[in-house]
Amino acid sequence: AQKITQTQPGMFVQEKEAVTLDCTYDTSDQSYGLFWYKQPSSGEMIFLIYQGSYDEQNATEGRYSLNFQKARKSANLVISASQLGDSAMYFCAMRTNAGGTSYGKLTFGQGTILTVHP
Amino acid sequence: NAGVTQTPKFQVLKTGQSMTLQCAQDMNHNSMYWYRQDPGMGLRLIYYSASEGTTDKGEVPNGYNVSRLNKREFSLRLESAAPSQTSVYFCASASTDSYGYTFGSGTRLTVV
Repeated sequence: AQKITQTQPGMFVQEKEAVTLDCTYDTSDQSYGLFWYKQPSSGEMIFLIYQGSYDEQNATEGRYSLNFQKARKSANLVISASQLGDSAMYFCAMRTNAGGTSYGKLTFGQGTILTVHP
Repeated sequence: NAGVTQTPKFQVLKTGQSMTLQCAQDMNHNSMYWYRQDPGMGLRLIYYSASEGTTDKGEVPNGYNVSRLNKREFSLRLESAAPSQTSVYFCASASTDSYGYTFGSGTRLTVV
């Protein structure tokens, strides 16, 4: 079974500073994908960044980067130069592709609430 | 705008009542999913449909049924609502040959 663990229920960061949100995962599959989503108070799920298990380089999308450490099974999200609008819930999620039978199901962590202080 | 449309956005039910949550996507995606979100538990998969005509159970299917009406539409039915089904429900779709998922805006359901 797949499992995603986010151990930080809440994080605080000062505006313009960087912050790292932790995510560890557990799977026996060799092919999988890791995602980060942002959920603001309005409730929608916003895709931030994706990392494939065979990608050799860490994914980056603007101010977001994913610190992928395969041997440690961690996929931490780094947000640089935090902005007030970054205050939200952040979810780490994983999709496994074992023999093509996963049908793209996502397994989510419990989430981390990030608060950015001015 | 292209995307995933869920209706209704809010609903209050009495225990024992039934209702259907509707979901439609216009991106020609093969796969569709229903998740529920409870405080402190992230999103959990209720049911999914890998393609038109197929459905399968996810992590928390009890108390729910689904119908993949056609490629665009995937509905979730609560036959006899219980307070434990108070939650926010998200529909999502994805193309199986890519990693792109699109989520609907959610349905906030309260069962009293």
